[in-house]
Amino acid sequence: AQRVTQPEKLLSVFKGAPVELKCNYSYSGSPELFWYVQYSRQRLQLLLRHISRESIKGFTADLNKGETSFHLKKPFAQEEDSAMYYCALMDSWGKLQFGAGTQVVVTP
Amino acid sequence: KAGVTQTPRYLIKTRGQQVTLSCSPISGHRSVSWYQQTPGQGLQFLFEYFSETQRNKGNFPGRFSGRQFSNSRSEMNVSTLELGDSALYLCASRVMGSGEQYFGPGTRLTVT
Repeated sequence: AQRVTQPEKLLSVFKGAPVELKCNYSYSGSPELFWYVQYSRQRLQLLLRHISRESIKGFTADLNKGETSFHLKKPFAQEEDSAMYYCALMDSWGKLQFGAGTQVVVTP
Repeated sequence: KAGVTQTPRYLIKTRGQQVTLSCSPISGHRSVSWYQQTPGQGLQFLFEYFSETQRNKGNFPGRFSGRQFSNSRSEMNVSTLELGDSALYLCASRVMGSGEQYFGPGTRLTVT
């Protein structure tokens, strides 16, 4: 069965410090992986997807098939990065499964 | 383009009643998915509709049902409401073939 695991419920970092949000998955096929973000009082929105290999708002994520991980990283956290982050896996049928989410709090 | 819209935004119902939630996707998006979001279970997939047909289904009881109309608008129905159905129900639309989902603001359902 497919599964997405985000081991950290809460991540508190200082402004300017690096931040890394962990995501591990289990899936028998070739997954498509995403990071979604939900800022306070805003709707859930896509942050980035592994196939585009782009950097959005300074965030990057690399798919490591050997370790079945898709960790999200940013070298220098900003206060506006405070939000709820969800890792998600889409299977071959188009069904999107989310991890439990990680709340990031960036303190000045 | 207008975003995904959901109505109503808030709803209070009594146990045993039924409820219908509505979702209008982004113009041109023919796939609509529904999710339930709760503090305890997080975001859980309910079902996806494409071209008026249910394409995927999550692990929810038969009390949860949905449908999609020819204009791609979708409705979700929950019958015989239980206290545990209290949640934020999110709708998302996408272009088939794309993994990117566009989410609506959600409908907050409270069952008393």
